[in-house]
Amino acid sequence: DAKTTQPTSMDCAEGRAANLPCNHSTISGNEYVYWYRQIHSQGPQYIIHGLKNNETNEMASLIITEDRKSSTLILPHATLRDTAVYYCIVRVPRIYGNKLVFGAGTILRVKS
Amino acid sequence: DGGITQSPKYLFRKEGQNVTLSCEQNLNHDAMYWYRQDPGQGLRLIYYSQIVNDFQKGDIAEGYSVSREKKESFPLTVTSAQKNPTAFYLCASSNPGLAGGPDTGELFFGEGSRLTVL
Repeated sequence: DAKTTQPTSMDCAEGRAANLPCNHSTISGNEYVYWYRQIHSQGPQYIIHGLKNNETNEMASLIITEDRKSSTLILPHATLRDTAVYYCIVRVPRIYGNKLVFGAGTILRVKS
Repeated sequence: DGGITQSPKYLFRKEGQNVTLSCEQNLNHDAMYWYRQDPGQGLRLIYYSQIVNDFQKGDIAEGYSVSREKKESFPLTVTSAQKNPTAFYLCASSNPGLAGGPDTGELFFGEGSRLTVL
């Protein structure tokens, strides 16, 4: 699986959009981009994933660049409860046993 | 509700003792995983299992053992050979999806077990 790089931390004002970038320049053609978040001392929670088209669900939007070398997770109206560590990973679905590489992620602090 | 249950949530053990962490899922997933997380670090893969009676070492398998006798269960034993066992342990499962069906591939995580070795 390709590796990803993310900023160590970011701050966001409550009610504003939080834009979290992820670089995955070595991504291969069949790898999807997945985003998870982990609230302190809990298990990570799936947010969204995509291949090449932009995706949106009730939690967030995922924007993937045309060359697929980077992506941005957008939380449209951040709340204090969105304060967490956000992980960007790439993987091939339908393939068992991927050694999924979770980096240190981005610590998002939402402030009132 | 479907999900993954890890137990115990907190565990204290003396150095040199083996300890087993439980992970049970009722999602009917084939694949299960164990990760370790240290403070301020990402998740590191210990072991994973693609199917019943089969499992593979991850990146940091030394000092750990697993079994997969049932689809629902994937217990992790932290042995006395693990030099720094104090950590937060996370179990996960996934179902890549049927060919031609919904393509998810997402991981579902338990709430974690925090092991402290005194």
